[in-house]
Amino acid sequence: QVQLVESGGGVVQPGRSLRLSCAASGFTFSTYAMHWVRQAPGKGLEGVAIISHDGSNKYYADSVKGRFTISRDNSKNTLYLQMNSLRAEDSAIYYCARDNFGSGFGSGWLGYWGQGTLVTVSS
Amino acid sequence: QSVLTQPPSVSGAPGQRVTISCTGSSSNIGAGYDVHWYQQLPGIAPKLLMYGNSNRPLGVPDRFSGSKSGTSASLAITGLQAEDEADYYCQSYDSSLSGYVFGTGTKVTVL
Repeated sequence: QVQLVESGGGVVQPGRSLRLSCAASGFTFSTYAMHWVRQAPGKGLEGVAIISHDGSNKYYADSVKGRFTISRDNSKNTLYLQMNSLRAEDSAIYYCARDNFGSGFGSGWLGYWGQGTLVTVSS
Repeated sequence: QSVLTQPPSVSGAPGQRVTISCTGSSSNIGAGYDVHWYQQLPGIAPKLLMYGNSNRPLGVPDRFSGSKSGTSASLAITGLQAEDEADYYCQSYDSSLSGYVFGTGTKVTVL
């Protein structure tokens, strides 16, 4: 069965960096676009970044553009989110999710989600 | 900032019907992009509830139904049950942002 397991969250000081990972199994990872979606405490869902199946196309929310980088290693079935210059407002649960299409751009949906990893940015 | 607007909360007694609206614009729902819905139970990751406006994944009860018209979409829950108490989010694609967008979220309370 499809499994997505995030890791790498924790407490970090403002301005520092953190790298999240999402290990995928149970499907052909290289076929699907992947997403990072975050949820601040008590708030709604926010799409953070998208990467196409082959890594050739990426999207970033304005709130993280220039600070976060999404990447993937299809040989390791792993998705990454490099987060630099972290701010207090980046504190959230970060979920990785699988698109049902390969491109990640269009009428796709997120059929599978990981359990999330908590990032807390605080001094 | 969400570009899809939902009512903050809806409520109903067991067995009743409730609907959740999702209002977008000409760059997302109105542009013809599909709307999808997610259910998030307290403390758990979101789960796909409806895809392609009105299609239920395997295992989702037929009490849930979806529709789309113009720049809006709706999720209906008929025969409301206690286990339906959760947060619900709509999602679509926005061509101006070139990314997926989520609704503001609606909390469903079973009275």
